Amino acid sequence: AQTVTQSQPEMSVQEAETVTLSCTYDTSESDYYLFWYKQPPSRQMILVIRQEAYKQQNATENRFSVNFQKAAKSFSLKISDSQLGDAAMYFCAYRRWGTGTASKLTFGTGTRLQVTL
Amino acid sequence: DTAVSQTPKYLVTQMGNDKSIKCEQNLGHDTMYWYKQDSKKFLKIMFSYNNKELIINETVPNRFSPKSPDKAHLNLHINSLELGDSAVYFCASSHSVADTQYFGPGTRLTVL
Repeated sequence: AQTVTQSQPEMSVQEAETVTLSCTYDTSESDYYLFWYKQPPSRQMILVIRQEAYKQQNATENRFSVNFQKAAKSFSLKISDSQLGDAAMYFCAYRRWGTGTASKLTFGTGTRLQVTL
Repeated sequence: DTAVSQTPKYLVTQMGNDKSIKCEQNLGHDTMYWYKQDSKKFLKIMFSYNNKELIINETVPNRFSPKSPDKAHLNLHINSLELGDSAVYFCASSHSVADTQYFGPGTRLTVL
């Protein structure tokens, strides 16, 4: 079974600085997808970024980028120029390639990010 | 404008009652999901429907019954509510089973 591990329960970053959130996963599959979702205090789950395992290039979305290391099964999220609005729980998630039961997301336990002035 | 909506947002009820949570998406997606987030914030899949057909049914007590009247709606009915059912329930949808999932705002269920 696939598992996703986020080893940092809490992180803190100063406004305008850069922070990296860690995620590792375990799978025997070669094709899959990885995601970072953000959950602010409003509890809405918001997609931050998505990475296809077959793509060697790391995904980026504005201030958010990932470092995808397939061999190491590592998928970290870098937030540059942190803003107060980035304060939230961040969840790493894995999805197997394919249809049917493969569509389920397996989540990590989350990292709570605090942004200080 | 709301893409995935859930009603109600908050639900407080007594043990033993039966309750329903409704989910609607206006994105034209054909796959919908229910996830449960427990008190420790852990999220886990419960059910998934693709074109009104059940495709994922994780180990969930049979007191939980999803119903999909059409592709845009996926409701969750819970019988004989227990204290342990208290959680936030999220509905999500995707264009297909292979696509990115977009979440609703969640329903916080509190069982007293």
